Amino acid sequence: QLQLQESGPGLVKPSETLSLTCTVSGGSISSSSYYWGWIRQPPGKGLEWIGSIYYSGSTYYNPSLKSRVTISVDTSKNQFSLKLSSVTAADTAVYYCARPKLFVVVPAAIPAWFDPWGQGTLVTVSS
Amino acid sequence: AIRMTQSPSSLSASTGDRVTITCRASQGISSYLAWYQQKPGKAPKLLIYAASTLQSGVPSRFSGSGSGTDFTLTISCLQSEDFATYYCQQYYSYLLTFGGGTKVEIK
Repeated sequence: QLQLQESGPGLVKPSETLSLTCTVSGGSISSSSYYWGWIRQPPGKGLEWIGSIYYSGSTYYNPSLKSRVTISVDTSKNQFSLKLSSVTAADTAVYYCARPKLFVVVPAAIPAWFDPWGQGTLVTVSS
Repeated sequence: AIRMTQSPSSLSASTGDRVTITCRASQGISSYLAWYQQKPGKAPKLLIYAASTLQSGVPSRFSGSGSGTDFTLTISCLQSEDFATYYCQQYYSYLLTFGGGTKVEIK
């Protein structure tokens, strides 16, 4: 059974870089059928997609965050990571990693629905 | 970005009720829609994808329908474990977007 687990600091100072890692167990991150992604949820609010990455390194980012986001993959460790720079209090949220299905919408192959999800990790931006 | 609008934002219902949640896309998305259930303090759980395909292991009382811009999630006979918040999500565009959520509360 595939499982995902987020890890990283729970507290980040304003203007610094948020860094999280998602470790995948029970399956290979190098599967051709899936992307890997990050979603966040501010306290008491809805879900926001941050970005997704294919095992080859191909990425899709939310344009609203693109200038500050980097998602990378390490197939040797079966992990993928998120870096969000220049954080503010507005970036305080529960951050989830999840596996989106690769879906072909001609001519592209895009991330689609998310399953499974990690348990999530709360990251607070505060001095 | 494709905007997903859910209604209602919350509803109160009793065990055994039939519940319908609506999700409307700001442009046509064919059937490229998923539904999730989220309980407090937990990660979302996939219920339905491709607008009407039930994810393995999800009870058959959940069903989805719609295409184009209008979609519905129906719970045919509400159970105590179904009180949660439900989200729709489109994948017609690589810029994935979620609806604002519908909280199903106990009446």
